[in-house]
Amino acid sequence: AAGVIQSPRHLIKEKRETATLKCYPIPRHDTVYWYQQGPGQDPQFLISFYEKMQSDKGSIPDRFSAQQFSDYHSELNMSSLELGDSALYFCASSLGTAEGMNTEAFFGQGTRLTVV
Amino acid sequence: LAKTTQPISMDSYEGQEVNITCSHNNIATNDYITWYQQFPSQGPRFIIQGYKTKVTNEVASLFIPADRKSSTLSLPRVSLSDTAVYYCLVVSMDSNYQLIWGAGTKLIIKP
Repeated sequence: AAGVIQSPRHLIKEKRETATLKCYPIPRHDTVYWYQQGPGQDPQFLISFYEKMQSDKGSIPDRFSAQQFSDYHSELNMSSLELGDSALYFCASSLGTAEGMNTEAFFGQGTRLTVV
Repeated sequence: LAKTTQPISMDSYEGQEVNITCSHNNIATNDYITWYQQFPSQGPRFIIQGYKTKVTNEVASLFIPADRKSSTLSLPRVSLSDTAVYYCLVVSMDSNYQLIWGAGTKLIIKP
């Protein structure tokens, strides 16, 4: 079965550079979530989208932005990268409902970002 | 969102049943309980979800007492491949599934 696809799987950037992470949700899933997981840390919620609109915002720095496109894929744009941004970035997707109660979230394999 | 508390680590042996208990004293009426499994450098994987009493699927059972202030994930007959971090999350039906992750339980299965 198709899963959540993230690209690239690995990314190395220098400080102050920009990075774009992409997420392709499971077909027919309309909700996308982004999480950041530092080394040895628990996943931290960044932001989510439902039907191409931002639905929730967590601890996402102002240097980061994200959007969901008409084909439901999402991109996380990260600017002025800092060493502390080095982490695994996970995208998850789910099938939302009008009442806001979503079914389980399926996670991608993640993008490992290393800032040097 | 309710905060969860679970043991930092647990050890067990192949073939044993493993029970991981999670406390969520501040759980609200509209909250339900979800467990995820995560292997190193991989995305978390959904295991089971429930609201009350007992839920069972092909990989685990979830026991939730009447007051819902705790829950127990039960893994029957574990194998070495069940070594992973297990996260208990309380998710609000009103939160658009924003998952707030606490410190999971690192389960180590020994031969």
